[in-house]
Amino acid sequence: QQQVKQSPQSLIVQKGGISIINCAYENTAFDYFPWYQQFPGKGPALLIAIRPDVSEKKEGRFTISFNKSAKQFSLHIMDSQPGDSATYFCAATFQGAQKLVFGQGTRLTINP
Amino acid sequence: DSGVTQTPKHLITATGQRVTLRCSPRSGDLSVYWYQQSLDQGLQFLIQYYNGEERAKGNILERFSAQQFPDLHSELNLSSLELGDSALYFCASSPRTGGGFSTDTQYFGPGTRLTVL
Repeated sequence: QQQVKQSPQSLIVQKGGISIINCAYENTAFDYFPWYQQFPGKGPALLIAIRPDVSEKKEGRFTISFNKSAKQFSLHIMDSQPGDSATYFCAATFQGAQKLVFGQGTRLTINP
Repeated sequence: DSGVTQTPKHLITATGQRVTLRCSPRSGDLSVYWYQQSLDQGLQFLIQYYNGEERAKGNILERFSAQQFPDLHSELNLSSLELGDSALYFCASSPRTGGGFSTDTQYFGPGTRLTVL
């Protein structure tokens, strides 16, 4: 019940295309869903996050879509750029959890 | 740069040995979290400290222990090392404990890569 399932494991997108990464969860107590971006040799860094009381959050080229009834959320990267090539992790937590539960990660490659 | 520092960057040691990983949180952050990142297990939460006190435990082995000192830096001690302990170990910090504020951003350090031979 603490798991967050992420797909796909790897994704190749052409420059200018849309990258989509999906996550699903079981624990309905989760109330905060951040996405982290990790470049090789670096630690994960917060990219964008959403609370379940909204269905979509957009920050620049990055959008989270949230479907509470389906217990799914996804990251969309519009106009994908080679600099977006990184590993992306979805995560979930809830008040009192004291920790982030991470998905398995998606290695995104944007071809120029 | 997240403001979280971790030392050493790389550590190579032998099975059965003991090592200590060090983390300095961002200035003013009271919570420190430790995570293990391996290829097969992904990012796994190990343990959290808030202002010197242990607040939560995750999938942390009994051979592993941690503490947070009065100056808020934290150390993760790994003993009786096994080949399977080879991984990246990340420290993260946040301003407050996650208990009341799940939306507090966790800022990750650059990690320590541990190789057990």
